[in-house]
Amino acid sequence: NFMLTQPHSVSESPGETVTISCTGSSPAFARNFVQWYQQRPGRAPTIVIYEDQKRPYGVPDRFSGSIDSSSNSASLTISGLKTEDEADYYCQSYDSGKRMFGGGTKLTVL
Amino acid sequence: QVQLQESGPGLVKPSGTLSLTCAVSGGSISSSNWWSWVRQPPGKGLEWIGEIYHSGTTNYNPSLETRVIISADKSKNQFSLTLMSVTAADTAVYYCARWFSGTHADSWGQGTLVTVSS
Repeated sequence: NFMLTQPHSVSESPGETVTISCTGSSPAFARNFVQWYQQRPGRAPTIVIYEDQKRPYGVPDRFSGSIDSSSNSASLTISGLKTEDEADYYCQSYDSGKRMFGGGTKLTVL
Repeated sequence: QVQLQESGPGLVKPSGTLSLTCAVSGGSISSSNWWSWVRQPPGKGLEWIGEIYHSGTTNYNPSLETRVIISADKSKNQFSLTLMSVTAADTAVYYCARWFSGTHADSWGQGTLVTVSS
């Protein structure tokens, strides 16, 4: 079964930069788009990056996405961290017509 | 801007059937988007359940597909989730979402907690 693996948690200080990784278990990972969602406690997820590196309207340019095909991985980078960025982040992709989410990464900004 | 709202019983008995509806406003489920269900057990991550296209085509998570049916009612502009033979492991917040351009969920309902318990 195709899986997406994320670190359980990351932490960084305000103003710093953090990168969250998402590794796919199949070479097919590189052929499909990766999305990133932010979820604050008690709220529905919201999209912050789609189609590997595109930012929806309203998402600050502090958020960026990238793909490394050689390592079957995607990354979400948040620069100039703010306390409001503290949330769970999920990568998402699909394989053979089935969508899937990574396990999620809890970002702590302290 | 499209809005989605889940509704349905918050408590279902074990071995029973979970039924939820997602009402869509500000947009049509007949548009070229996928309409999906995603769930999140308490304290855990997101799990994609499945989706339906305006043509009626459906896709399901292989781990759930023997128990799941997703259907749509275009006249009411809503789509539904039916999950059969539920157990405590099906206790979760259930979200409905629109998958825009086939790539990303750009609109979500607020979510509804369904507890499986006798």
